[in-house]
Amino acid sequence: KAGVTQTPRYLIKTRGQQVTLSCSPISGHRSVSWYQQTPGQGLQFLFEYFSETQRNKGNFPGRFSGRQFSNSRSEMNVSTLELGDSALYLCASSLEAEMTYNEQFFGPGTRLTVL
Amino acid sequence: KQEVTQIPAALSVPEGENLVLNCSFTDSAIYNLQWFRQDPGKGLTSLLLIQSSQREQTSGRLNASLDKSSGRSTLYIAASQPGDSATYLCAVRRTSWGKLQFGAGTQVVVTP
Repeated sequence: KAGVTQTPRYLIKTRGQQVTLSCSPISGHRSVSWYQQTPGQGLQFLFEYFSETQRNKGNFPGRFSGRQFSNSRSEMNVSTLELGDSALYLCASSLEAEMTYNEQFFGPGTRLTVL
Repeated sequence: KQEVTQIPAALSVPEGENLVLNCSFTDSAIYNLQWFRQDPGKGLTSLLLIQSSQREQTSGRLNASLDKSSGRSTLYIAASQPGDSATYLCAVRRTSWGKLQFGAGTQVVVTP
């Protein structure tokens, strides 16, 4: 079974631009979460989607948004990019079925560099 | 507010030695705790998940214990190998659908 996939793997943007990152969860998984990882702040939770609805949201500005489609694929968008948005963005999916305890499986990440 | 701490931040051991990695959390009201491994520039690989009602979980050379009342979990890696070199992160979850709260990780180097 294929794991969580994220595209693109690497991205270079300039300040002020916007970017969209994509995540395809493991087949059958309905929950998708997004995390930002930076050397200074570590791993921070952005948001989580389940059945096309945002179920949880972290403490990030409104420039960060996301959505989930009916096939569970998810996208996150960052508008008006800032230098501090440079990070590894990780997507995780979970099955949310009994006895799986919602174990999270992560993708390889998208490395975003803002110049 | 939940805080997750991993000490030490880094350690180096010779091949064959057992690894002991620590994770502590301030709020014992957790749903589960998950241990991950991260190689440089890569995503996270799930190693073990322990439910709040469990005391330990084992997978091959890996064993993770959980003492919820004292807010601690320990990951043991037996007979370490150079391939075990990576950053190990623990994360706790407050509810079944809550976010993962991560520690900063322990960077491990196993020298041949």
